[in-house]
Amino acid sequence: DGGITQSPKYLFRKEGQNVTLSCEQNLNHDAMYWYRQDPGQGLRLIYYSQIVNDFQKGDIAEGYSVSREKKESFPLTVTSAQKNPTAFYLCASSIAGQGFYEQYFGPGTRLTVT
Amino acid sequence: QKEVEQNSGPLSVPEGAIASLNCTYSDRGSQSFFWYRQYSGKSPELIMSIYSNGDKEDGRFTAQLNKASQYVSLLIRDSQPSDSATYLCAVSGGSNYKLTFGKGTLLTVNP
Repeated sequence: DGGITQSPKYLFRKEGQNVTLSCEQNLNHDAMYWYRQDPGQGLRLIYYSQIVNDFQKGDIAEGYSVSREKKESFPLTVTSAQKNPTAFYLCASSIAGQGFYEQYFGPGTRLTVT
Repeated sequence: QKEVEQNSGPLSVPEGAIASLNCTYSDRGSQSFFWYRQYSGKSPELIMSIYSNGDKEDGRFTAQLNKASQYVSLLIRDSQPSDSATYLCAVSGGSNYKLTFGKGTLLTVNP
């Protein structure tokens, strides 16, 4: 079964702690993305990566970090510098370079920071 | 700043009716257009993609694109209660992989 997995589904942390969200895909996609969704809002791009060992900041990268050491994996770290980390985090992937950029999403991680 | 605007909703239609969802975008260079369906508490699911002017049909769904008017729409024929969800419009430019999303329109189909 090809797809994108994210873990955990729910995550609770205390303020001031860093937390890492996992994203794995077995679709053989080159490009991977992290989005954040807040209630009543559209998706906002945090980081994206088109190839292993390379990634670019999206629209709201402050307080987040990523790595892309393997094609299948694109973990996101929410640092203590992120002012409002509570949100629904979505990972997506796509075939790079085909020109049409259809993105497919994982099930998401709901992060609550108190 | 690229923008994607959707009719604010919520939109309520009776079962069996046609639901019409609309989206406008600001970047004339946009080349790829997508509709995602998102059930409450779940992640978005790609249901339609369209790249050229005109209509594209897939089962009960029809996407319509008018690049001159910078307008894309989604029609759902014979609406079912299972179509009740938030529909997200997403637009991609030609030179990068970034998608810009609208805030979504909540559709409720009443039995």
